[in-house]
Parts: sequence; structure tokens; C-alpha cells
Amino acid sequence: DIQMTQSPATLSAYVGDRVTITCRASQTISSWLGWYQQKPGKAPKLLIYKASSLESGVPSRFSGSGSGTEFTLSISSLQPDDFATYYCQQYDSYPWTFGQGTKVEIK
Amino acid sequence: QVQLVESGGDVVQPGRSLRLSCEASGFSFRHYAMYWVRQAPGKGLEWLALISDDGTKKFFADSVKGRFTISRDNSRNTVYLQMNSLKVEDTAVFYCAAPEGAAPLAYWGQGTLVTVSS
Repeated sequence: DIQMTQSPATLSAYVGDRVTITCRASQTISSWLGWYQQKPGKAPKLLIYKASSLESGVPSRFSGSGSGTEFTLSISSLQPDDFATYYCQQYDSYPWTFGQGTKVEIK
Repeated sequence: QVQLVESGGDVVQPGRSLRLSCEASGFSFRHYAMYWVRQAPGKGLEWLALISDDGTKKFFADSVKGRFTISRDNSRNTVYLQMNSLKVEDTAVFYCAAPEGAAPLAYWGQGTLVTVSS
């Protein structure tokens, strides 16, 4: 199975900061990667698919990059609504797998 | 708009069975694969299963292979997750998800809680 490793596990930042979350795959997954945002008690929300494509309706401050085994999710200017947990997920091969999550907290 | 509504969550004893349902609306259900994902309390997301649009192809996570099955009824726009031999560690919120274009998990239901406890 492909292992997805996110870093950091927790990130503390101020409103307005630029933040970057990294996701590493244990083997190449081309660009078959999604990023999700989840708030407590809510279902996950798709932000990015195919590594760098912004889902419709998602603010442009979110961006994704990478291919192969190294990927990043960036938020250009952190907003109060962005404090949440973020997950990466590979869909290159079954079983699909998620990273362990990165919690973005208010500093 | 796309809506996914899960149901069937309950409190069950270890070793028992439970079937979850996910009713879809707002898209052409019969033309799309469907998925189940779960989240144990305080833990991360775990992909569980996929069923192809016509129901002929199915894939499972290792953790549930042989115990869980997935099926669908395209006439009812519904996908099912049959869970057998439930374990305490299966306690989780179960979500169904649907694709959009190149994004396989674009739409999510609100989730249904399964608690496995004696």
C-alpha cells in the first residue's frame, strides 16, 4: 500500500500568514493527489484535485503543487475560516490512502 | 445540487452486522463510481471501498477486506455498505462520497455514526 506522510502534524500561524503543508508518498503517484479541509463535526471538503487543480468555489488563496512523491498545499494569506485540519489523499492505486492530517491552529 | 444522505448508523455489539445506505441526488448516479470513507473518533480519514458505476468492479481497504461488501441499486440511486463481523475498532463516522470530473471524492454526505460496543 502507498503510505502518505504529512508534515507538520500541527501548524500554528497568524491570520495573514502564508502557510505550506507537505505531503510525501512512499512511491510515485504521478499527480493523482487530492487535498481536503475538515472542520470539527463536519464532512471533509475537497480543495485541490490532481495535485494542482483548484476545485470550483474554493478561494484562490489555496494552491497545490508537486508530482511524483512530493506535494504541497499552500495558503497564501491565512484567513480565520481556514483554521481546520487538512488531509492529502492519493488515488493512484488501490487501496487509496490519506495522510494523517495537519491541524492548522491560531497563533 | 448534489446531495448524499447516509443512514443506518447504530450501536451494535462486536461480531454483529450492519448495513449502511447512501442515497444520492442531483447527478446521474448510474454513471459514476461511488465510495465509502470512515473516520474513527479523534482520528484521521480512512478510505474503505469503491464500487464502479455498473457495480462490476469493487475495491476495499485491507482493514475491511473480507468483512465489508459494497453494492448499489441504480434504480434507487443508492449505494450500500454491508458490514459483517464488526469490531470495536470499526467505531467511526462513515461517509459516502461521489466524484466530479477528475476528482473522485468531490462530494461528501454528512456521515452516519456506527458504534461497536458490548
